[in-house]
Amino acid sequence: QSALTQPPSASGSPGQSVTVSCTGTSSDVGDYNYVSWYQQHPGKAPKLMIYEVSKRPSGVPDRFSGSKSGNTASLTVSGLQAEDEADYYCSSYAGSANYVFGTGTKVTVL
Amino acid sequence: QVQLRESGPGLVRPSETLSLTCAVSGYSISSGYYWGWIRQPPGKGLEWIGNMYHSGSTYYNPSLKSRVTISLDTSKNQFSLRVNSVTAADTAVYYCARLPGSGKFDYWGQGTLVTVSS
Repeated sequence: QSALTQPPSASGSPGQSVTVSCTGTSSDVGDYNYVSWYQQHPGKAPKLMIYEVSKRPSGVPDRFSGSKSGNTASLTVSGLQAEDEADYYCSSYAGSANYVFGTGTKVTVL
Repeated sequence: QVQLRESGPGLVRPSETLSLTCAVSGYSISSGYYWGWIRQPPGKGLEWIGNMYHSGSTYYNPSLKSRVTISLDTSKNQFSLRVNSVTAADTAVYYCARLPGSGKFDYWGQGTLVTVSS
């Protein structure tokens, strides 16, 4: 199974929105609604931000939203804040209890 | 509050076996869910290593399957990872995590760096 494809970087000014894409195949992203997104600050463990494509765990601001179309999932961060600057990874269920992560995107708040 | 904490040697010699343990508190691993390992080479992305269901079934990344073993110790409420025949490419921060379903890793350990070097 190959890693899901994400753009290496994305950026936006405070208050603006940024969208990160995550492209897989018909065997993972396209076949299951089990796409999750994780935020990782330097030296820290990843934190779950979105699961099942668009659901937010308790405590995650509603500025974070997710969607999916075909083999591509997306994470949108609205109203960018300085603390949103981090690496973001998508992951998808790939069948037979297998999982695959994305290549990661560094989000910069300008 | 569920907490996970990895432990194990920070340095492993090439061709030897990497062994890590993840201690879980705040939840009994025998009660349910999957328990998994993920790694991240320095400066690189996340890689799923494998999961184990509380009943004992295991699932591994096909690229690592021949060298990896995950096991549970319910008496100590912990689970373990073994990677055989390690090389420098296995140098990474290793994370343990809980998978309650819905394809999400909801609780993570803080991670432990394992360096493969002679």
